[in-house]
Amino acid sequence: GENVEQHPSTLSVQEGDSAVIKCTYSDSASNYFPWYKQELGKRPQLIIDIRSNVGEKKDQRIAVTLNKTAKHFSLHITETQPEDSAVYFCAAEMYSGGGADGLTFGKGTHLIIQP
Amino acid sequence: SAVISQKPSRDICQRGTSLTIQCQVDSQVTMMFWYRQQPGQSLTLIATANQGSEATYESGFVIDKFPISRPNLTFSTLTVSNMSPEDSSIYLCSVEHGRAGEQYFGPGTRLTVT
Repeated sequence: GENVEQHPSTLSVQEGDSAVIKCTYSDSASNYFPWYKQELGKRPQLIIDIRSNVGEKKDQRIAVTLNKTAKHFSLHITETQPEDSAVYFCAAEMYSGGGADGLTFGKGTHLIIQP
Repeated sequence: SAVISQKPSRDICQRGTSLTIQCQVDSQVTMMFWYRQQPGQSLTLIATANQGSEATYESGFVIDKFPISRPNLTFSTLTVSNMSPEDSSIYLCSVEHGRAGEQYFGPGTRLTVT
């Protein structure tokens, strides 16, 4: 089955700086890679995703890049703000028109924004 | 995104008993999933529940322990059977909705087994 590795487990950055979280996956059949943000006591919230036919995707201050050959994808957050502090999870899934396998998650990154 | 609700939001149960968790969506969805999130950890897929077919369980999860129902396109239940303290976790349902592959999560059910 799929295995997703995520690094680092904790990331502390100064407010206004950029943060990068990296994930690798093992199953070359995976073709859908979402990122979730989870605040304490809340449900995971989908913040951005990328599919295997795309190399990069941006949405305001967040971006995701995918390298299919190396089987890794990264989340980039620019101009970090205190409200970016949360746990971020990457995930991978094999999705086809007939359905999806379900998400395999990385272990999570606790992002701390220092004022 | 879909509006997803779960009942109960939390419960404290005695070991050896069973708890059924409900997941309700405000629109029809084909695919629903159940995940477990142990305290301070990541999410692990328990099973995929599609309407009209048997649930598909991931390695390490069995139907006798986690029976699932999916009677229609807006509702599913997960039962945690013969509970032990190791079953203490947050149980979340998710649905695939909108563009292909996007999954949205319910608020979760926090289960404590004593």
